[in-house]
Amino acid sequence: DGGITQSPKYLFRKEGQNVTLSCEQNLNHDAMYWYRQDPGQGLRLIYYSQIVNDFQKGDIAEGYSVSREKKESFPLTVTSAQKNPTAFYLCASSKGRRDSYTGELFFGEGSRLTVL
Amino acid sequence: AQSVTQLGSHVSVSEGALVLLRCNYSSSVPPYLFWYVQYPNQGLQLLLKYTSAATLVKGINGFEAEFKKSETSFHLTKPSAHMSDAAEYFCAVINTGTASKLTFGTGTRLQVTL
Repeated sequence: DGGITQSPKYLFRKEGQNVTLSCEQNLNHDAMYWYRQDPGQGLRLIYYSQIVNDFQKGDIAEGYSVSREKKESFPLTVTSAQKNPTAFYLCASSKGRRDSYTGELFFGEGSRLTVL
Repeated sequence: AQSVTQLGSHVSVSEGALVLLRCNYSSSVPPYLFWYVQYPNQGLQLLLKYTSAATLVKGINGFEAEFKKSETSFHLTKPSAHMSDAAEYFCAVINTGTASKLTFGTGTRLQVTL
């Protein structure tokens, strides 16, 4: 079945450590996104990519980094510079640059990061 | 920039009762509007979308929403709630400043009681 796979589902890390969250899609979608979800704040966009080897900062990119070396993969690194990294992270994709305008996103099941 | 405001972070209804989840948008141009649903510890799933065609939009699981320009609203309704509808619901709008960005509201958690 086609879809988006995020791993790990749960992750615990010590303060000051970098963490990389994986996101893989087999939907042949061009665009991919990372959102952060905190209670009562909805979803906030961290980074997005419309094409391989290119990505743009979202609303809360500070303390995060991404790469897009393959169409299928869009990993997110939460660096030690992120002041409050404990959150639920959601990866999403959409069909293409034109179809991105439709707002139809397909989401993974999320990764819950807890920094101790 | 466009934005959406969801009124009520928690809504509780009895099984079989009408569901009404409120969303108001702010936009200087005709927006694209969406409702997404999130079940516990899962990602979001598209319920329905408005893209300037019919103002009454029907979605999955019996939900529908009506775009009202005069009220800048896009409220989500379902005539009869089911226990399986308990979830968090997000209204969202396309940000035409950078067209690939979807801006979400803060969400409304729907509780369905017996």
